[in-house]
Amino acid sequence: SQQGEEDPQALSIQEGENATMNCSYKTSINNLQWYRQNSGRGLVHLILIRSNEREKHSGRLRVTLDTSKKSSSLLITASRAADTASYFCATDWERSNYKLTFGKGTLLTVNP
Amino acid sequence: DGGITQSPKYLFRKEGQNVTLSCEQNLNHDAMYWYRQDPGQGLRLIYYSQIVNDFQKGDIAEGYSVSREKKESFPLTVTSAQKNPTAFYLCASSIQGGTYGYTFGSGTRLTVV
Repeated sequence: SQQGEEDPQALSIQEGENATMNCSYKTSINNLQWYRQNSGRGLVHLILIRSNEREKHSGRLRVTLDTSKKSSSLLITASRAADTASYFCATDWERSNYKLTFGKGTLLTVNP
Repeated sequence: DGGITQSPKYLFRKEGQNVTLSCEQNLNHDAMYWYRQDPGQGLRLIYYSQIVNDFQKGDIAEGYSVSREKKESFPLTVTSAQKNPTAFYLCASSIQGGTYGYTFGSGTRLTVV
């Protein structure tokens, strides 16, 4: 399976701390995307990083991609209670015909 | 405002009954997708369509059917052949190629009663 695997499965931190989530995948990709899901809601696209990029920033988000290790990380800096959600990585892998394959997610809890 | 709308938000199905979940988008996206999410799990692809009047099976298509008669609409029917339909169903859309990410609806929670 190409499914990405997030690590850790759950993460609990205090407000103001940084949160780091990791994603590993198995085959070559066109791009890797991170999504956020609040409980019982749809997913929201956060950031997309292409296979030829190594790092991208968006506000308090920083994503890195290491294609040699087939892994990515999502860093949320200065976390807030409102960041509490599940975070999923999704891979658009080569020969997938542009379909995304999602991991099982990391549940982030930010305590006030 | 552009977006993607799923209805109903909650749906209850009796044994042996077919039910249809609605998904409508006004983003002018070519591609649409249906995913199933079970508790504590990732999303699994049921069906997808990259163009009107064409659709492809995903990883777990058995017991489901779709149609794509209009660009804006991609309804999903959960048939009686789907033995374990209780789940959260998510519809998404994207431009052709999906290179700018997916836009998701807010989901339909289906429960068998």
